[in-house]
Amino acid sequence: GAGVSQSPSNKVTEKGKDVELRCDPISGHTALYWYRQSLGQGLEFLIYFQGNSAPDKSGLPSDRFSAERTGGSVSTLTIQRTQQEDSAVYLCASSQRTSQETQYFGPGTRLLVL
Amino acid sequence: TQLLEQSPQFLSIQEGENLTVYCNSSSVFSSLQWYRQEPGEGPVLLVTVVTGGEVKKLKRLTFQFGDARKDSSLHITAAQPGDTGLYLCAGAKGTYKYIFGTGTRLKVLA
Repeated sequence: GAGVSQSPSNKVTEKGKDVELRCDPISGHTALYWYRQSLGQGLEFLIYFQGNSAPDKSGLPSDRFSAERTGGSVSTLTIQRTQQEDSAVYLCASSQRTSQETQYFGPGTRLLVL
Repeated sequence: TQLLEQSPQFLSIQEGENLTVYCNSSSVFSSLQWYRQEPGEGPVLLVTVVTGGEVKKLKRLTFQFGDARKDSSLHITAAQPGDTGLYLCAGAKGTYKYIFGTGTRLKVLA
């Protein structure tokens, strides 16, 4: 594909429900990041995947958040028992490797928890 | 918590004016990036600066990395409406983790 794609683009859910957000990185990119962006603010690091290495989950805000990356490509971010404070834009980015390589961002998933 | 403070938070200027956005931290970064983000889209990388004191120019945009690699500035000359957006700085810690700034929302009026 031409760029990083994310789905859904928008998600409205009720408090307490689980949600899954999907990220398709650029083909061949081994590094994948998830970030959270609250309204009009900077990005908060959530998790980082690099190839087959164990992911860096240090940014996940609680155990309700988890992420997987299957086959070194597509990634899914799951939020269980959503809370209103989870409302934000969730951005995915991929890069060819690491170490100051350019991150290419997807358009994000806008999550609203009612 | 490592923070990158950006100032100003909001800036509304007339077309043709100059402006500077600042990105400050008490932490040292191995490199620093600047992004621009438009509504409904992800951030797009503008530049990466690596060396303390480095200055990079991208058309009307001039980026500077502080000598101590703790701060940076973005200067725009003769701003245009197309420069409107959210400007984010991001400092690299280690080989892959980036700390993003709080953002500067710029609006350039025609």
